[in-house]
Amino acid sequence: GIQVEQSPPDLILQEGANSTLRCNFSDSVNNLQWFHQNPWGQLINLFYIPSGTKQNGRLSATTVATERYSLLYISSSQTTDSGVYFCAVELMYNNNDMRFGAGTRLTVKP
Amino acid sequence: SAVISQKPSRDICQRGTSLTIQCQVDSQVTMMFWYRQQPGQSLTLIATANQGSEATYESGFVIDKFPISRPNLTFSTLTVSNMSPEDSSIYLCSVAWGGAGGDYGYTFGSGTRLTVV
Repeated sequence: GIQVEQSPPDLILQEGANSTLRCNFSDSVNNLQWFHQNPWGQLINLFYIPSGTKQNGRLSATTVATERYSLLYISSSQTTDSGVYFCAVELMYNNNDMRFGAGTRLTVKP
Repeated sequence: SAVISQKPSRDICQRGTSLTIQCQVDSQVTMMFWYRQQPGQSLTLIATANQGSEATYESGFVIDKFPISRPNLTFSTLTVSNMSPEDSSIYLCSVAWGGAGGDYGYTFGSGTRLTVV
């Protein structure tokens, strides 16, 4: 089956720093989403981004579908950015089947 | 995107008992999805629930352990049966949504944090 690999697995930042999270996937996908799971377990959708670049405030994401990777940029990090960031992909030939990466655990220190 | 109400938000249960988790969606959806997130792990799809047909289970998950109901297009339940401590996880339901401009994606309920003692 499709492999979804996220890096780094853990990241510790000082407040105000910038960071880049990466998601590599092994097959063609219909859909790619980035989620933030807060300390209470709630999954928040950040971006739907099967290709191209999107920005939302301090966050932006880029997916290069032909090279099978996506990047999530966090600028001027805040303590509230802490949590786990998941990349999830929907298989090209199996709609409605989302596969999650292992996640990047981000800790932002004041 | 759709809004999902999931309950209970958390529970502590005795081994050997069963717990039923409910998800209510604010719009009609064809498919609903149930996921498990074991402690410190990523999300794993348990099953896909279509209204009017039996749920489709992923490898490693069986109907006897995780029976699912889908009585209408806005509601589904997942039961965790004959629980053991290994079932302690967060269980989440999810639906696909379509937005303006052709965007679509998946939204999740707030999760049920289950502890089995």
